[in-house]
Amino acid sequence: GENVEQHPSTLSVQEGDSAVIKCTYSDSASNYFPWYKQELGKRPQLIIDIRSNVGEKKDQRIAVTLNKTAKHFSLHITETQPEDSAVYFCAASRGGSQGNLIFGKGTKLSVKP
Amino acid sequence: DSGVTQTPKHLITATGQRVTLRCSPRSGDLSVYWYQQSLDQGLQFLIQYYNGEERAKGNILERFSAQQFPDLHSELNLSSLELGDSALYFCASSLTGGGDSPLHFGNGTRLTVT
Repeated sequence: GENVEQHPSTLSVQEGDSAVIKCTYSDSASNYFPWYKQELGKRPQLIIDIRSNVGEKKDQRIAVTLNKTAKHFSLHITETQPEDSAVYFCAASRGGSQGNLIFGKGTKLSVKP
Repeated sequence: DSGVTQTPKHLITATGQRVTLRCSPRSGDLSVYWYQQSLDQGLQFLIQYYNGEERAKGNILERFSAQQFPDLHSELNLSSLELGDSALYFCASSLTGGGDSPLHFGNGTRLTVT
């Protein structure tokens, strides 16, 4: 089955710096890669997702890149702000009747003012 | 607001007891997922239902069971509760069953076992 590894487990940056979180997956048939943000005490929320027919996707200060050959994808946050502080989860799925969404263990991002 | 409703928000009970957590999915979503999140831990996948049928099973204990009803709401039953079952339980719903559409999470039920 699919296995998703996420690194680092914790990340501390200064406000204004960039943050990068990396995930690797094992199932070469995986084709959907979402990222969720969970603020303290709140529910996880989808912030961006990418499908395997696209190499990069941007939404304002957030971008996700996908390398299918290497089976890894990354979340990039530029110009970080204190409100970016949260736990970020990556996930992967192959979709279809055999698909299931598998989450990474999460990265706790702290943005220091 | 995600459109996913979980009740109750908080539950405090004693060891050995049984509780039922309820989830109403977002309108139009056919799939329901249950996750357990202990303090400072990740999302532990428990079970998934799609259109009334069990779709996938994760690390769900035998003391736990779930079902999805014809109106698509779901219930998670936890029995013979232990202290270690104290956690935040999330329900999420999605349009498809294969995990390739966005998950919409409810606000969770915080279970405290004393």
